[in-house]
Amino acid sequence: GEDVEQSLFLSVREGDSSVINCTYTDSSSTYLYWYKQEPGAGLQLLTYIFSNMDMKQDQRLTVLLNKKDKHLSLRIADTQTGDSAIYFCARGGSQGNLIFGKGTKLSVKP
Amino acid sequence: KAGVTQTPRYLIKTRGQQVTLSCSPISGHRSVSWYQQTPGQGLQFLFEYFSETQRNKGNFPGRFSGRQFSNSRSEMNVSTLELGDSALYLCASSLTGGYQETQYFGPGTRLLVL
Repeated sequence: GEDVEQSLFLSVREGDSSVINCTYTDSSSTYLYWYKQEPGAGLQLLTYIFSNMDMKQDQRLTVLLNKKDKHLSLRIADTQTGDSAIYFCARGGSQGNLIFGKGTKLSVKP
Repeated sequence: KAGVTQTPRYLIKTRGQQVTLSCSPISGHRSVSWYQQTPGQGLQFLFEYFSETQRNKGNFPGRFSGRQFSNSRSEMNVSTLELGDSALYLCASSLTGGYQETQYFGPGTRLLVL
């Protein structure tokens, strides 16, 4: 299987919370990341979490890390239409690179 | 502070040609990494440069090469283009490329090979 896995699609209504999930196989990474990509654009770093933390909150974003289950999630509170984008989970690789999941396309319906 | 810039933004080439893409990192950043993004393979790491030296390399053929200049600007070159090289090429910069550092991405260069 893939090193970092995400579900491909998520659809929510405006104002609801969105939860995007990610699982990974290699637990050696010190940091885990969430990036956002809007159509025609590059990647924007949303947030990251240190591997010895289990939760990090940053305004509307909450990251939960379950290291035992190798599961990472990103919760977006009060989701807006402007949050529609592809969200990538990534972990740090041994070469100083980032290893990405395939991305979750979030659609927010008004 | 200006972000990561990439030129050109769009490029159309034909099979067999070669192409050079440019990336200017955030001022003060000395590490530049390159990634290829395709619908099938997703985001894949090409290589990373630091202080004008290639420090890490992903699993791509030798047709893909790069370099970094003394001002930290980086170029990547793809020779003998193939249809499968059509992709969005993203570069990212960070201060020194350390694992604990955040990588900031540019908008990408979209390459279409006909």
